[in-house]
Amino acid sequence: KAGVTQTPRYLIKTRGQQVTLSCSPISGHRSVSWYQQTPGQGLQFLFEYFSETQRNKGNFPGRFSGRQFSNSRSEMNVSTLELGDSALYLCASSWGRGIYNEQFFGPGTRLTVL
Amino acid sequence: QQPVQSPQAVILREGEDAVINCSSSKALYSVHWYRQKHGEAPVFLMILLKGGEQKGHEKISASFNEKKQQSSLYLTASQLSYSGTYFCGAPLSGNTGKLIFGQGTTLQVKP
Repeated sequence: KAGVTQTPRYLIKTRGQQVTLSCSPISGHRSVSWYQQTPGQGLQFLFEYFSETQRNKGNFPGRFSGRQFSNSRSEMNVSTLELGDSALYLCASSWGRGIYNEQFFGPGTRLTVL
Repeated sequence: QQPVQSPQAVILREGEDAVINCSSSKALYSVHWYRQKHGEAPVFLMILLKGGEQKGHEKISASFNEKKQQSSLYLTASQLSYSGTYFCGAPLSGNTGKLIFGQGTTLQVKP
């Protein structure tokens, strides 16, 4: 079974630009969560999507948005990029929601904002 | 709100044992453990559930003390491949995929 895939793997942008990151979950998984990882803040929750609906949102500004498609693939968008948005963005998929479902992470997208 | 892990870092020799702790000030519904090697994605290790059930696929054991809101990960007879950063994560409620992660514990196993 193929794992979680994320594209692109690396991205370099300048301040003020916007970026779209893509995540394809493991086949059959319906839940996708996004996390931001930085050396200073660790793993921070961004969003959770299930059945094309955002179920949870982390404490991030409105510049961060996302969506999920009918095939469970998900995208996240960051508008008006700031230097502090430089991070590894990870998506994780699971079969369902809830405390019993293990999340499997993709390789991440390394975003650098100059 | 974020789980607290201890120790922050540990260095071992191959074959030695280690314990990583994860504690929360809020009630824990379950505890998820992950290991991340440098430059790679976090890899799922196991889930600890209330009532003692655990799901995992690694030769690593863990415990979950619901009353103390703590979980411990036991790494016995450490191998070089155990090196990495270990994270515990906990959902805020019973029906959510939102995990709040601890700050991580860096484990280095030396030959």
